[in-house]
Amino acid sequence: KAGVTQTPRYLIKTRGQQVTLSCSPISGHRSVSWYQQTPGQGLQFLFEYFSETQRNKGNFPGRFSGRQFSNSRSEMNVSTLELGDSALYLCASSSGTSGVQETQYFGPGTRLLVL
Amino acid sequence: AQKVTQAQTEISVVEKEDVTLDCVYETRDTTYYLFWYKQPPSGELVFLIRRNSFDEQNEISGRYSWNFQKSTSSFNFTITASQVVDSAVYFCALSEAQWNTGNQFYFGTGTSLTVIP
Repeated sequence: KAGVTQTPRYLIKTRGQQVTLSCSPISGHRSVSWYQQTPGQGLQFLFEYFSETQRNKGNFPGRFSGRQFSNSRSEMNVSTLELGDSALYLCASSSGTSGVQETQYFGPGTRLLVL
Repeated sequence: AQKVTQAQTEISVVEKEDVTLDCVYETRDTTYYLFWYKQPPSGELVFLIRRNSFDEQNEISGRYSWNFQKSTSSFNFTITASQVVDSAVYFCALSEAQWNTGNQFYFGTGTSLTVIP
């Protein structure tokens, strides 16, 4: 089974621009979660999508948004980029139907640098 | 309050030494799951182990072993005879049930392990 894929792997943007990141989950998985990882804040949960609906949301400003398509692929969008948005963005895939015993499987991440 | 605490920020050991990474969690649930992930320099978090709250048996997988103790709310990870390839950041995580989403994942801040040849 193919793992979680994320594109692009690296991205350089300037302040004020917007960016869209993509994540394809493991085949058959319907849940996609997004995390932001920075040296200072560690792994922070952004949001989770399940069956095209946002099911859970972390504590991030509205500039961070996402969506999920019918094939479970998910995109994350950050508008009006700030320097502090420079981070590794990780996507995690899970079945979405197993509750507390769900294991999340992560993609390789997208490294975003905002100049 | 942190749900998952990894008090060791950085650890350095010489190759072939044993090393234990500590993880302390906090939950009021009786049913929960604990996880360990490894993040090598490439960035991808690699799943290592999942443990449920009802199974306190220690687990061993090759050079890796995990000690789960509910009495102290700890789920520690030991690498025996460490190797350079073990150098990575290791994350402990807790999964709790959520009424509307099935579960919620909480990650610790990670322990950066450096194995010196």
